[in-house]
Amino acid sequence: KQEVTQIPAALSVPEGENLVLNCSFTDSAIYNLQWFRQDPGKGLTSLLLIQSSQREQTSGRLNASLDKSSGRSTLYIAASQPGDSATYLCAVRYSNYQLIWGAGTKLIIKP
Amino acid sequence: EPEVTQTPSHQVTQMGQEVILRCVPISNHLYFYWYRQILGQKVEFLVSFYNNEISEKSEIFDDQFSVERPDGSNFTLKIRSTKLEDSAMYFCASSGLADNTGELFFGEGSRLTVL
Repeated sequence: KQEVTQIPAALSVPEGENLVLNCSFTDSAIYNLQWFRQDPGKGLTSLLLIQSSQREQTSGRLNASLDKSSGRSTLYIAASQPGDSATYLCAVRYSNYQLIWGAGTKLIIKP
Repeated sequence: EPEVTQTPSHQVTQMGQEVILRCVPISNHLYFYWYRQILGQKVEFLVSFYNNEISEKSEIFDDQFSVERPDGSNFTLKIRSTKLEDSAMYFCASSGLADNTGELFFGEGSRLTVL
């Protein structure tokens, strides 16, 4: 069964720290992997998409890496800010049409 | 920047009533999806739609659910007879690439509360 796990479930760090969020998936035969941000009661904002042939993608202070062989992806956030507080979701696309989602990491950045 | 829009943002309905959730995907996109998120749970796939037909659906998407693209711009999800367990946030998404490996863009969601 294809499953996506995100660790930790919650993380609280002081402003300014660099941090890493983890995503693992059981089946390495992925098409792509997408990281999303979700604010409370809000929609899903796409942050980064990594295709299966790529190793990493960068957007501003965010960097996502992909290691298919080990079934892992990380989202690195540099110089965290209170506005980064949200739930970060990892979603994996396999050979069919659907995304398989992790449960998310709830991030709190303390001023 | 193009975006996916959904209406209504919140709907409250009585059990057994029909509900239609509406979505306007990004205009040049080819693939359309509905996902849902029950409060406190993971996001779940419901259905994907391509070339005016369902391309895949999950076990959740039973005979009570249907989708339609009636006019080339709107994409609707109908729940024929709502149940309490249908209460959730419903997200519409679209993606553009013909080989379906592209980025999914989601709307803000429609919160459905079934009483």
